[in-house]
Amino acid sequence: DAGVIQSPRHEVTEMGQEVTLRCKPISGHNSLFWYRQTMMRGLELLIYFNNNVPIDDSGMPEDRFSAKMPNASFSTLKIQPSEPRDSAVYFCASRMGQERNQPQHFGDGTRLSIL
Amino acid sequence: QQPVQSPQAVILREGEDAVINCSSSKALYSVHWYRQKHGEAPVFLMILLKGGEQKGHEKISASFNEKKQQSSLYLTASQLSYSGTYFCGTENTGGFKTIFGAGTRLFVKA
Repeated sequence: DAGVIQSPRHEVTEMGQEVTLRCKPISGHNSLFWYRQTMMRGLELLIYFNNNVPIDDSGMPEDRFSAKMPNASFSTLKIQPSEPRDSAVYFCASRMGQERNQPQHFGDGTRLSIL
Repeated sequence: QQPVQSPQAVILREGEDAVINCSSSKALYSVHWYRQKHGEAPVFLMILLKGGEQKGHEKISASFNEKKQQSSLYLTASQLSYSGTYFCGTENTGGFKTIFGAGTRLFVKA
C-alpha cells in the first residue's frame, strides 16, 4: 500500500521566493496534518484538516504561510515570501477518521532550505 | 501545552532497559508514541487511550495513568535498532490534534 507521499523531498531556494509543498494522503484517510520540525522547536503542528476542511490553523506561524486541501487526495502548504528562518523539515501526516485510536502516518518529509 | 518528556537523552548498552516518561499539565484523552531515526519520518509505535491500559509491541510497552496525566514507554533488552528519538504525542479531551513533546534521544551501543 502506498503511504503518504510528499514532494519535493528537498527544496533549496532564495529568500523571497514562493515555496509550495505537496502532500498526497493515504487513500481513505480523511484527516491530514502539516508539521514543521526544527532542532530548536521540535515537531510543531501547523494545521490540520478533516474531510478537506481546515479545523485548526493556530500553529501557522504567520500570514506568509497558507495551506489548502482542494480534495481528499491532495494538499499544499505554501510559503510566500519565504525567509531563512523557514528552513526546516516539513512533514505531512494522515489519519483514518476522527477516531483518536488511529495512528498518524507520516510522509518522508520535505527538507526546505531558504538561502 | 507541549508535553514534557524525560530524560532528554539516554545511552544504553545492548540488552539494557530504559524508561521514557511523558507528562502533561492538561487532562489527556490519549497518548501516542513514535520513534524517529535520523533523516527519516516518525514511525508509529502505539496509542494508549484513557482507561489506564498498557500496551506492548515486541519488547516495547507503555502505560498511561490518566489521573496523573502521565505515560511511560518501557524498552526492555534494548537492541541496536532501538536507537532513535522517541516522541510522545498527547491529545486532550477537548480536541483532535496531537501535540508532540521535544523527544528523547536514545542511543544503544554494542
